[in-house]
Amino acid sequence: QVQLQESGPGLVKPSETLSLTCTVSGGSISGYYWSWVRQFPGKELEWIGYIYYSGSTNYNPSLKSRLTMSIDTSKDQLSLELRSVTAADTAVYFCVRDYFGLDSWGQGTLVTVAS
Amino acid sequence: DVVLTQSPLSLPVTLGQPASISCRSSESLVYSDGITYLNWFLQRPGQSPRRLIYQVSERDSGVPDRFSGSGSGTDFTLKISRVEAEDVGIYYCMQGAQWPRTFGPGTKVDIK
Repeated sequence: QVQLQESGPGLVKPSETLSLTCTVSGGSISGYYWSWVRQFPGKELEWIGYIYYSGSTNYNPSLKSRLTMSIDTSKDQLSLELRSVTAADTAVYFCVRDYFGLDSWGQGTLVTVAS
Repeated sequence: DVVLTQSPLSLPVTLGQPASISCRSSESLVYSDGITYLNWFLQRPGQSPRRLIYQVSERDSGVPDRFSGSGSGTDFTLKISRVEAEDVGIYYCMQGAQWPRTFGPGTKVDIK
């Protein structure tokens, strides 16, 4: 069964860049779409975007201007960069395999934006 | 963006009794391929969301058959035939018919 593990700094300063990595194990990264989803403190979920194993992307328009996703199939890793963060970006960030719609989720990593 | 509305937002349930959650969409969730992309997730306390249902009514592997999904177009329902203690948590619907994907606000289910 595929397992996903997010990693990255738990604290980011306002106006800086949030960078996260997701390591995929127990299954192939190739052939799938991979999404990032975040959950705000009030429990609302927001889809951030996806990246296909080929590298093509589809971002949420609300974040598109600040967002970059990448994939390294040799390392079975995905990456997310969100620039110019504010307190409104404080959330738990999930890496999710997107097979007929978000079928396997990582445990999530809490990112707090604060000075 | 497609707006999903869930009701109720809070659902106290009795063990062994049925429960039902509604999800309504601001637009049809039938994609151009004819498939309706509506999923249901359960997030137990302290855990990540887990998909229960995809394409309206298809149960994921390992999901008990007491969970069932139904509906069409813009109106969907998740039913639990007999609630068990492990069913406590927040239930979300999510649409995959239009970009960006969007989620409902969640329905919190707990035991009376």
